[in-house]
Amino acid sequence: GAVVSQHPSWVICKSGTSVKIECRSLDFQATTMFWYRQFPKQSLMLMATSNEGSKATYEQGVEKDKFLINHASLTLSTLTVTSAHPEDSSFYICSAPPAGVYNEQFFGPGTRLTVL
Amino acid sequence: AQSVTQLGSHVSVSEGALVLLRCNYSSSVPPYLFWYVQYPNQGLQLLLKYTSAATLVKGINGFEAEFKKSETSFHLTKPSAHMSDAAEYFCAVKETSGSRLTFGEGTQLTVNP
Repeated sequence: GAVVSQHPSWVICKSGTSVKIECRSLDFQATTMFWYRQFPKQSLMLMATSNEGSKATYEQGVEKDKFLINHASLTLSTLTVTSAHPEDSSFYICSAPPAGVYNEQFFGPGTRLTVL
Repeated sequence: AQSVTQLGSHVSVSEGALVLLRCNYSSSVPPYLFWYVQYPNQGLQLLLKYTSAATLVKGINGFEAEFKKSETSFHLTKPSAHMSDAAEYFCAVKETSGSRLTFGEGTQLTVNP
């Protein structure tokens, strides 16, 4: 089956630093990838839609200058949390539907970000 | 906009008992519906999906769900709970166009020995 990986699986950083999270589709191409944030005991909240070769689409209330998204290839999207603060601590999950497939998405294992 | 409501943030059952997790959706057109399971500190795993074919959908691990348009529901069931079923379950809806998913609030399933 289709596999989506995320790296790193967890990261701890100091307040004010930037953190990059990678999302890769290992055995399929994805023109679109989604980035979610999940706080403890809560549901997944869509942050942005990453589009290969073009700008990402951000959900209302998500700061695009703080959460930088780059979708440089058909198998890789990156999320960079700039100037991270403790309130950015969360579980970040990406997902990807295979190109041309619209009724299924495959989820990455998630990245646990802790900002001290 | 489409939305999903999961009734009951916590459900507790005994091992071997019936599992019923409720999901209701709001949509002006027949949607695609999904159930995902999430174990602690992991991503989401697809249990089953409804894509306008058969209304009774069978998934992995013995789970199934029935799409009832008249009730706008897509409840998840399993005849006999296993300890390994303890996890968080999310219902999600997708518009017929595009790939964007909208998730319910989730239901934490506890299975007691």
